Amino acid sequence: EVQLVESGGGLVQPGGSLRLSCAATGFSFSDSWMSWVRQAPGKGLEWVANMNRDGSEVYYMDSVKGRFSISRDNARNSLYLQMSSLRAEDTGVYFCARDGYPFSSDYWGQGTLVTVAS
Amino acid sequence: QSALTQPPSVSGSPGQSVTISCTGSSSDVGSYNRVSWYQQPPGTAPKLLIYEVSRRPSGVPARFSGSRSGNTASLTISGLQAEDEADYYCASFSTSIDFRVFGGGTKLTVL
Repeated sequence: EVQLVESGGGLVQPGGSLRLSCAATGFSFSDSWMSWVRQAPGKGLEWVANMNRDGSEVYYMDSVKGRFSISRDNARNSLYLQMSSLRAEDTGVYFCARDGYPFSSDYWGQGTLVTVAS
Repeated sequence: QSALTQPPSVSGSPGQSVTISCTGSSSDVGSYNRVSWYQQPPGTAPKLLIYEVSRRPSGVPARFSGSRSGNTASLTISGLQAEDEADYYCASFSTSIDFRVFGGGTKLTVL
C-alpha cells in the first residue's frame, strides 16, 4: 500500500525557517518524480515544487524561488522541503505527492500544517 | 487569482450528470495533454480522477470522464451520487510563469 507521511509543520514567525519531511513507503521511491503542493486555509491547491527521480531536475513556483529548496534522499525514501524567509502567505497545509503520471499526482499524503504568524 | 478558471460551484441531483469547466490558455490547457482533475472531499487529501486530459487511473469509476476543446478542459460526472459531493480541481503543465498550475476549484453539491 502506498503511503506518504508528512511531518515538520508548525508555527513559525515571519522570516523564519522550517523543514518539512515526507516519508514514502509501498512503492519504488527512487523511480518516482515527487511534488509538494500547498493549500491555504479555505483556499485552493497550489503547486509549490517538484523533483525528478535522482534530484537532478527541480522546479519551483515563482513566489518561492530563492526561499524554498526541495530535496530527496532515495536511500531513506524521503522527500524534503526546506523553507526560509517565510511569509504569512506561505501559511497552509503542505502535501507531499507522488507524480505517477507526467505532471499528475496519483498519491498524496494527509498534509502538514504550516502557520506563519507572529 | 488562479491561472486556470473554474466555476465556483455546480450542483445536480442524484442520477444526473454535471460538467465542470476549466479554462486556460495556449500556454497550458490548449497546447499540452497534461491536464488532470482531482477530487477533494472536505478535510481530506486530493484524489486523482483524470490525467492526460481523459485517462482514468485504475479504480476510478467510468462515470468520471475528461475532455478538452481548445483552451477549455472539462470533467463530466454522470450518474451523480451523494458521495460525489466535494471540491474538484483541474491542473495543467504550463509554459508560463509556473511549471504547473491549478484551477481555483469547484464545489459540487449533490441536491
